[in-house]
Amino acid sequence: EAGVAQSPRYKIIEKRQSVAFWCNPISGHATLYWYQQILGQGPKLLIQFQNNGVVDDSQLPKDRFSAERLKGVDSTLKIQPAKLEDSAVYLCASSLTRQGEAFFGQGTRLTVV
Amino acid sequence: QQQVKQSPQSLIVQKGGIPIINCAYENTAFDYFPWYQQFPGKGPALLIAIRPDVSEKKEGRFTISFNKSAKQFSLHIMDSQPGDSATYFCAARGATNKLIFGTGTLLAVQP
Repeated sequence: EAGVAQSPRYKIIEKRQSVAFWCNPISGHATLYWYQQILGQGPKLLIQFQNNGVVDDSQLPKDRFSAERLKGVDSTLKIQPAKLEDSAVYLCASSLTRQGEAFFGQGTRLTVV
Repeated sequence: QQQVKQSPQSLIVQKGGIPIINCAYENTAFDYFPWYQQFPGKGPALLIAIRPDVSEKKEGRFTISFNKSAKQFSLHIMDSQPGDSATYFCAARGATNKLIFGTGTLLAVQP
């Protein structure tokens, strides 16, 4: 079974630029998550989708972050404009159901300079 | 109240030792407590999980001990091996199905 795919693996941008990350969840998984993991910290949930609807985006900085999950499969997370404090690893995860085990991708390491 | 406090921040043990990682929570609505293992450059992977109606769960060399009254739970790794060297995260999940992660413990098992 293929795992959660994310791209790119690494990205370096200047502050105030925009960036987008892509995630392809495990086939058939209805729930998709985006987490932010700052160096030395545990992952923090940014947004959770159930199919193509948003379940929880309470910790998403909506003035600069946006996410969508068209057709309930792939998802993109966008940051515009980026700030230095956005430097982190962005992890995508998926689960069969909202109560099911979450499987994580390898993440995208973002460095904002 | 949504936090999960994890300690220690780092841990070094000799091969065959039993590292213990501790976590504490405040929110009594949490009903699922998983532990994740993360290797450098990889995403976290579920290791073992427990629900609060059970005081202990073993899977292979990994054991979770759960103390509901103290709102604490811990991970024990029996007969630790150098391949167990990784960062370990505890987490908790409540009614909203949102996973709240601890800050992580960097474990090094020396040969």
